[in-house]
Amino acid sequence: QKEVEQNSGPLSVPEGAIASLNCTYSDRVSQSFFWYRQYSGKSPELIMSIYSNGDKEDGRFTAQLNKASQYVSLLIRDSQPSDSATYLCAFRDNYGQNFVFGPGTRLSVLP
Amino acid sequence: KAGVTQTPRYLIKTRGQQVTLSCSPISGHRSVSWYQQTPGQGLQFLFEYFSETQRNKGNFPGRFSGRQFSNSRSEMNVSTLELGDSALYLCASSFLAGNAEAFFGQGTRLTVV
Repeated sequence: QKEVEQNSGPLSVPEGAIASLNCTYSDRVSQSFFWYRQYSGKSPELIMSIYSNGDKEDGRFTAQLNKASQYVSLLIRDSQPSDSATYLCAFRDNYGQNFVFGPGTRLSVLP
Repeated sequence: KAGVTQTPRYLIKTRGQQVTLSCSPISGHRSVSWYQQTPGQGLQFLFEYFSETQRNKGNFPGRFSGRQFSNSRSEMNVSTLELGDSALYLCASSFLAGNAEAFFGQGTRLTVV
């Protein structure tokens, strides 16, 4: 089983809608979870980190973590065309060491 | 506060040559990790250094090596380059190893011909 799974997309949403990005992971002991945004030809940019079960909100972004289900998601409210990018989820493995990245979901926000 | 700086930004090398890439972390950060990104494989972890010691190593051949200096700057070396080494090489810095957030540099685009 792959360690981190994400739908590759593309996920297309209209401008102003909510974009929902999902990620599942296989390591039950993972403690730290991260969402990165990567524009084409650019390096990944940290959007949010989440360490405990529940929701964490930052502006238009909400990260949701459910450790029992080994599931982390990112909601983007009022999506803008500038949000069009690839979104990578990542976690620190059970020893708090290596970052493990998912393959990324490509999001396209249509004007 | 300056971000993570990687040099050079672009590099073209010939098969069989070797290459050295440099990464200067955010001031105060002591952990530097290196990643290879290709369209087919995504982001693959190479290794992580903390306080001049390699803490972790990914599943790459011994041609890939690195080191970290006392000022936390890190270098990555690839010897006997192969065409398949063409990729975007990214480094990321963290204040601590472990659970800390990591911030990426702009990357070095390596093309092997």
